[in-house]
Amino acid sequence: QITLKESGPTLVKPTQTLTLTCTFSGFSLSTSGVGVGWIRQPPGKALEWLALIYWDDDKRYSPSLKSRLTITKDTSKNQVVLTMTNMDPVDTATYYCAHSLYTYGDHYFDYWGQGTLVTVSS
Amino acid sequence: SYELTQPLSVSVALGQTARITCGGNNIGSKNVHWYQQKPGQAPVLVIYRDSNRPSGIPERFSGSNSGNTATLTISRAQAGDEADYYCQVWDSSTAVFGGGTKLTVL
Repeated sequence: QITLKESGPTLVKPTQTLTLTCTFSGFSLSTSGVGVGWIRQPPGKALEWLALIYWDDDKRYSPSLKSRLTITKDTSKNQVVLTMTNMDPVDTATYYCAHSLYTYGDHYFDYWGQGTLVTVSS
Repeated sequence: SYELTQPLSVSVALGQTARITCGGNNIGSKNVHWYQQKPGQAPVLVIYRDSNRPSGIPERFSGSNSGNTATLTISRAQAGDEADYYCQVWDSSTAVFGGGTKLTVL
């Protein structure tokens, strides 16, 4: 059974760096084809993909946020960490991590965490 | 960057068929995935690679993809199908989501 859970601060101040951790079980991020991604959703708005890390430590980022994002993994701890620098109130959103399989040159997200709401405010 | 266009809202009478579209340039050449999101919940994958249903998703959910439009079809719509639906593709090593469609079951 695959499960994922996001953790991190619920409130950050503008200009601060956000660090979120995704702790998962039921799969290994060292298995070929496996990836973990981050997706966010501002209140009342659409989903926005942020980043994805592969089993082989390759990484992909949203072009519009690439300069602010870093994604890393700790395979031994079954964790993926996302950092986002220079936080702004427009970054207020629910942040989700999700499991993905790379097949046929394609990614979709078949298991999602419950999400964590991050508010950016002074 | 690649863009996906969805109608903001779709309404369907109880028991009838709902169709939610996802438009994109030559989207028929890509794999399209669909997610259902109910209020306060995480998204759930309902269709992957155009027309495949994950385990546990009712057969009432189906998908198609051709030309510039992909379509999620929900047959015999139920009150429990009322939700936001998002399409997604993988393009140029990035994931792209549509803007979402709110399905209302009347």
